[in-house]
Amino acid sequence: DAGVTQSPTHLIKTRGQHVTLRCSPISGHKSVSWYQQVLGQGPQFIFQYYEKEERGRGNFPDRFSARQFPNYSSELNVNALLLGDSALYLCASSLGLAGPAYNEQFFGPGTRLTVL
Amino acid sequence: EDQVTQSPEALRLQEGESSSLNCSYTVSGLRGLFWYRQDPGKGPEFLFTLYSAGEEKEKERLKATLTKKESFLHITAPKPEDSATYLCAVQAGNNFNKFYFGSGTKLNVKP
Repeated sequence: DAGVTQSPTHLIKTRGQHVTLRCSPISGHKSVSWYQQVLGQGPQFIFQYYEKEERGRGNFPDRFSARQFPNYSSELNVNALLLGDSALYLCASSLGLAGPAYNEQFFGPGTRLTVL
Repeated sequence: EDQVTQSPEALRLQEGESSSLNCSYTVSGLRGLFWYRQDPGKGPEFLFTLYSAGEEKEKERLKATLTKKESFLHITAPKPEDSATYLCAVQAGNNFNKFYFGSGTKLNVKP
């Protein structure tokens, strides 16, 4: 079975540009979460979506936005890129929101974003 | 404020030398504590979920335990292939849609 997939694998952008990252969850999973991981740190929560609705938001500026599509795939958009946005962006999927096993998150390989 | 702290930051072991990693947490209403393994440049790989104090789970050389304030990941007779960063995360009851991660413990097992 296919796990969580993300595209692209790597991306290089310059300051001020816009970027879109994509994620496809495990088949049957309805929830997708996005995380930012800076080198040497644990993942920091950005968003969670369930059934196309935003269900959680971390402490990130409005330059960060996301959406979930009817097939449960998701996009993360970042506007006006800053050097500090350089990081590994991770997508995780789960069956649902709460309850044993429903909230276990499975991660994709990530997208490495470099902002120059 | 919800917080997760992992220790030590880094751990070097000889092959076969057992040890434990610690994850202490301060959250309002723990819904679940999760352990992940992460290899360099890759996404975290799910290992265990613990839901209540006293719970234990095992997988090969790894055993995870949970108390009301912390969790331990015990590694028995590690092998070089166990070298990775081990992350713990908690899901809090007051914001169950959010996972809080620690900074991880980087484990290096030498042959």
